[in-house]
Amino acid sequence: ETGVTQTPRHLVMGMTNKKSLKCEQHLGHNAMYWYKQSAKKPLELMFVYNFKEQTENNSVPSRFSPECPNSSHLFLHLHTLQPEDSALYLCASSQQGGGYTFGSGTRLTVV
Amino acid sequence: AQKITQTQPGMFVQEKEAVTLDCTYDTSDQSYGLFWYKQPSSGEMIFLIYQGSYDEQNATEGRYSLNFQKARKSANLVISASQLGDSAMYFCAMNPESNRLAFGKGNQVVVIP
Repeated sequence: ETGVTQTPRHLVMGMTNKKSLKCEQHLGHNAMYWYKQSAKKPLELMFVYNFKEQTENNSVPSRFSPECPNSSHLFLHLHTLQPEDSALYLCASSQQGGGYTFGSGTRLTVV
Repeated sequence: AQKITQTQPGMFVQEKEAVTLDCTYDTSDQSYGLFWYKQPSSGEMIFLIYQGSYDEQNATEGRYSLNFQKARKSANLVISASQLGDSAMYFCAMNPESNRLAFGKGNQVVVIP
């Protein structure tokens, strides 16, 4: 069991659905991240939050909408996704300059 | 921009033998951290070992050791006495001064009995 919890573990959604991924950490970290991991590709950093403020958006399509209500919780709201968005979505947290602690990921399938 | 290179194809290793996973990196930063993560089929990224760029000694953590050659910009992971549970993807990552962890493409390791 890691200090970063992601729910749900698996998600299947249609292209017209709206769903949200949740990430929670109680490690006292001040930074949180969303990564996308597609088959045979390196992990892609999507969003970075430092002290609840978004500090990085790596040209992510607007159909992905992050939300960080506090330093312990991070959401990724999904709407009108495409099949190519099917991937493993990993959340991580860190202290500034420290290593990252990852969650178990949400395996998303868009049908 | 940082670049992490892991080029080995999938590897099969006999149980109880050692395996070395190669990682080279490219950065202009003077201070950075190097990490190895293990990702089993469940998907979780598990931290294994860390090496700071100014650390003079190679990092060790149980059966894991990091062969750090700064001049060559390489940070190879050595897993000694492989176990069946070591079968997984292994990712090399670097955390430069900007604190944006960058990952390589990973190495697949399969331990056979």
